[in-house]
Amino acid sequence: DVKVTQSSRYLVKRTGEKVFLECVQDMDHENMFWYRQDPGLGLRLIYFSYDVKMKEKGDIPEGYSVSREKKERFSLILESASTNQTSMYLCASSYRLQETQYFGPGTRLLVL
Amino acid sequence: GESVGLHLPTLSVQEGDNSIINCAYSNSASDYFIWYKQESGKGPQFIIDIRSNMDKRQGQRVTVLLNKTVKHLSLQIAATQPGDSAVYFCAENGGTGGFKTIFGAGTRLFVKA
Repeated sequence: DVKVTQSSRYLVKRTGEKVFLECVQDMDHENMFWYRQDPGLGLRLIYFSYDVKMKEKGDIPEGYSVSREKKERFSLILESASTNQTSMYLCASSYRLQETQYFGPGTRLLVL
Repeated sequence: GESVGLHLPTLSVQEGDNSIINCAYSNSASDYFIWYKQESGKGPQFIIDIRSNMDKRQGQRVTVLLNKTVKHLSLQIAATQPGDSAVYFCAENGGTGGFKTIFGAGTRLFVKA
């Protein structure tokens, strides 16, 4: 079974803090994704990566950056957290871009 | 723009009954469709998928139907159980959206004992 893990289930941060969310997958997938999930808005793509050190912007990249130094690990960085970044963050991975994505358990981030 | 939507935001069924969750998609060029289940506090979990060259696919207690003529997707759950209570998302991939998977808003399924 594919396993995608995220470093934290819950995080509470202050406005202006730098926040790191880590995601690791164990299936040697090429592609990794970061989404945020908000009530009524569904899943929105922040960034994705199709290879080590490669990244592409999704629909809502503003205020976020990403890092993929190793194939199995994809990090989401909030450079200066703001209250409107309070959300559920979901990481996913897939073998090919147009195939099923497998999700981690999510990180619920609260920015005060 | 492209969208994947659901006909009902909530669905309540009696335990043991069959459930049908519907989804409409707008991009006729999409060629891959997925259903996910998301339980409270967890990430979405893959249930079943179907490609556009098929109109039906069956899994364990679940069936996905694809009607390309009316751009409609449905998920049927047989003999619904309390553990089926969750939010169900449809998603589409391919077509003019390219790599991007477009997710529907979700339908919450309640199973009454």
